[in-house]
Amino acid sequence: EAQVTQNPRYLITVTGKKLTVTCSQNMNHEYMSWYRQDPGLGLRQIYYSMNVEVTDKGDVPEGYKVSRKEKRNFPLILESPSPNQTSLYFCASSSVRRRLPGLNEKLFFGSGTQLSVL
Amino acid sequence: AQSVTQPDIHITVSEGASLELRCNYSYGATPYLFWYVQSPGQGLQLLLKYFSGDTLVQGIKGFEAEFKRSQSSFNLRKPSVHWSDAAEYFCAVGDNTDKLIFGTGTRLQVFP
Repeated sequence: EAQVTQNPRYLITVTGKKLTVTCSQNMNHEYMSWYRQDPGLGLRQIYYSMNVEVTDKGDVPEGYKVSRKEKRNFPLILESPSPNQTSLYFCASSSVRRRLPGLNEKLFFGSGTQLSVL
Repeated sequence: AQSVTQPDIHITVSEGASLELRCNYSYGATPYLFWYVQSPGQGLQLLLKYFSGDTLVQGIKGFEAEFKRSQSSFNLRKPSVHWSDAAEYFCAVGDNTDKLIFGTGTRLQVFP
């Protein structure tokens, strides 16, 4: 079954304690992305990756890191979490069709990670 | 830079009634336009998308959307809403870069 898998589903941590949220896709997608969802703000992109070893900042990258060492995995790293990073996080992936420029294929989303930083 | 606005935060309709969710975008050329639905506790699922061609796009679950360039709009419609359509709906716009911008979402509540 084609899917994007995020872990953990729920995470409670304390300020300053490094954490990693994992994301894995089994569709051989080139494109992967992290979003955070906050009430009244919708989804905002944190980082994205067009392929292995290629990552770019989204709209709200501060306080986050990512890596793309393998095509299937795209972990989100919070080196020193703060309470303002309490949010619902989604990983997504997509194939890339270069006959048309831009991200024009649909995104497949994971089920989300609810993070609370105390 | 592109942007997208969903003016309605919350909409309530009765089951069987028609539905229209508004989406306005800002972009100089023809954008890529998407509607996603998020059921409680789930990630987002694509309902439909528009790139070019016929401005009336059919999607899954009986939804359709119409691209109106003159109004910079891409409103989502359904002729008869079912209770299972209660969810949050997101419009998204992309251009010739590798980024998608999402709207703030519209929460749909359906009364029996």
